[in-house]
Amino acid sequence: KNEVEQSPQNLTAQEGEFITINCSYSVGISALHWLQQHPGGGIVSLFMLSSGKKKHGRLIATINIQEKHSSLHITASHPRDSAVYICAGDSNYQLIWGAGTKLIIKP
Amino acid sequence: DGGITQSPKYLFRKEGQNVTLSCEQNLNHDAMYWYRQDPGQGLRLIYYSQIVNDFQKGDIAEGYSVSREKKESFPLTVTSAQKNPTAFYLCASTTRGAGYGYTFGSGTRLTVV
Repeated sequence: KNEVEQSPQNLTAQEGEFITINCSYSVGISALHWLQQHPGGGIVSLFMLSSGKKKHGRLIATINIQEKHSSLHITASHPRDSAVYICAGDSNYQLIWGAGTKLIIKP
Repeated sequence: DGGITQSPKYLFRKEGQNVTLSCEQNLNHDAMYWYRQDPGQGLRLIYYSQIVNDFQKGDIAEGYSVSREKKESFPLTVTSAQKNPTAFYLCASTTRGAGYGYTFGSGTRLTVV
């Protein structure tokens, strides 16, 4: 069993839909990161969470420390949101990576 | 602007040759990391360094070597001992100060021909 698990593995939706990607972890972490990887390969950091909720534009990230669970939400999804979304737990100065969720938003 | 520069973006290597991937950061970050990503898989840690002149093996260090002679630079050498080097390689850095986050390079795609 992976220490950081994401679901779903793949997600296809229509433009405008509300998107939720889930991340569960089984190890102690000091922070949970959400990152975005575009087809070119480069990775962009979206959020770093240690508690509560953060919002940036149409993206919202939440974390429940007791349940060891985090979610990434995208409101009013757009084709340009198509990418791989990855969560990673920061444990003892190491990132423990989820396998990623491939999101495709169709126009 | 501060950031991480990885070069080259694409690299082709003949079997049996060593190749060095560059990673430079101007963020004054203490820690630097090298990850490998294979198609459809998550990132795996190759090597990391938390301070100059010191580095540790990650989960898949065999066939790779690194150096950390300067705080800004953490080059990765893919040696001929690496049996399946074709992959996407990503460099990252972070600092241990308050509100730390990670910064990632744009990656190098290595193909062995």
